[in-house]
Amino acid sequence: ETGVTQTPRHLVMGMTNKKSLKCEQHLGHNAMYWYKQSAKKPLELMFVYNFKEQTENNSVPSRFSPECPNSSHLFLHLHTLQPEDSALYLCASSQSRTGADTQYFGPGTRLTVL
Amino acid sequence: AQSVTQPDIHITVSEGASLELRCNYSYGATPYLFWYVQSPGQGLQLLLKYFSGDTLVQGIKGFEAEFKRSQSSFNLRKPSVHWSDAAEYFCAVVLSGDYKLSFGAGTTVTVRA
Repeated sequence: ETGVTQTPRHLVMGMTNKKSLKCEQHLGHNAMYWYKQSAKKPLELMFVYNFKEQTENNSVPSRFSPECPNSSHLFLHLHTLQPEDSALYLCASSQSRTGADTQYFGPGTRLTVL
Repeated sequence: AQSVTQPDIHITVSEGASLELRCNYSYGATPYLFWYVQSPGQGLQLLLKYFSGDTLVQGIKGFEAEFKRSQSSFNLRKPSVHWSDAAEYFCAVVLSGDYKLSFGAGTTVTVRA
């Protein structure tokens, strides 16, 4: 398998549920990112990990909790979400955490919070 | 404030016609510039990028973009559009020395037969 994969592709959850999104990159990259894509809004950077260390938390509410156990895997743990959290969540990776390195994106997880 | 603007929310073009998507940025220095495409149900795919040098950049799928410093623009073009080019297109920038991509709101392209 190549590139950046994300599971599940679709997720429906209630506000009291706990779920996790998974991202895996097969590119040997060292930096990984979580983005939120809401309808008709620019992509919002949520978290950045570089060599498994979190280097960016873009004022994301604590109901979103990232985890990066190794450079190939990134998780986003979700709990007590709100309906406005419904969006497409995209994972990306790059060789290193520099602007010159292209970010490669996964297909996203479409999240619906009821 | 730093920003990326894509003035056109939606463009409809006939198959075989030319396409131009606009992107303007507001940064103190020349950033690195990117165009991504997102097909329905897919993630973002890089079309092309500009760091320095020749201001006309060639990308995949027959796309090209031109950097114009005087206009703070990085417009994307394709001479002849195919039905498979129907998608959403995003301009993105990052300042040299930074790593955080800033995206425009996107332009949706519809291709009619």
